[in-house]
Amino acid sequence: AQTVTQSQPEMSVQEAETVTLSCTYDTSENNYYLFWYKQPPSRQMILVIRQEAYKQQNATENRFSVNFQKAAKSFSLKISDSQLGDTAMYFCAMGSGYALNFGKGTSLLVTP
Amino acid sequence: EAGVVQSPRYKIIEKKQPVAFWCNPISGHNTLYWYRQNLGQGPELLIRYENEEAVDDSQLPKDRFSAERLKGVDSTLKIQPAELGDSAVYLCASSFGITMAGTFGSGTRLTVV
Repeated sequence: AQTVTQSQPEMSVQEAETVTLSCTYDTSENNYYLFWYKQPPSRQMILVIRQEAYKQQNATENRFSVNFQKAAKSFSLKISDSQLGDTAMYFCAMGSGYALNFGKGTSLLVTP
Repeated sequence: EAGVVQSPRYKIIEKKQPVAFWCNPISGHNTLYWYRQNLGQGPELLIRYENEEAVDDSQLPKDRFSAERLKGVDSTLKIQPAELGDSAVYLCASSFGITMAGTFGSGTRLTVV
């Protein structure tokens, strides 16, 4: 069975600062993918960043980057230069088959 | 390019009543997913379609839930009869091929009273 754990239900960061959201997972698969999704109040799940487990290099998308520690089964998301529009729920997810397993999410609030 | 379109956006029904949700995926996307998101939780897969074939419906409560995807395009998800515990957001996603990271719609928030 695959499990995804997000241990931070809520986080807050000031605008322009950096914040890191934590995620750990468990799987017996060797080939899998990891994702971070953003869900604003509109409810649409928006893909932020993805990481292939076989790649050692950490993925980066503009202000978003990950710290992927395969041995520790850890996949944290770093948001640099936080903006008010980053306020949302953030979900960590993993998939090794044909669909995703999601964590419970972290609610991020960016304050002025 | 239009995204994944879902309707209705909100639905309130009494328990034991039927309800249906509709999803129009992105044009050309042959894979379609239905997820259910309970309050305070991440989405959970209910069913996955490859074209018009349901290839993974192991998490679909088949006693009251049904789904169809005619002609491999639009899809409907039905609950009959609805129970209080069915209150949730129902999300549809689509992708071209098996990418897992499909494009999501804005979901339907169902409230059963």
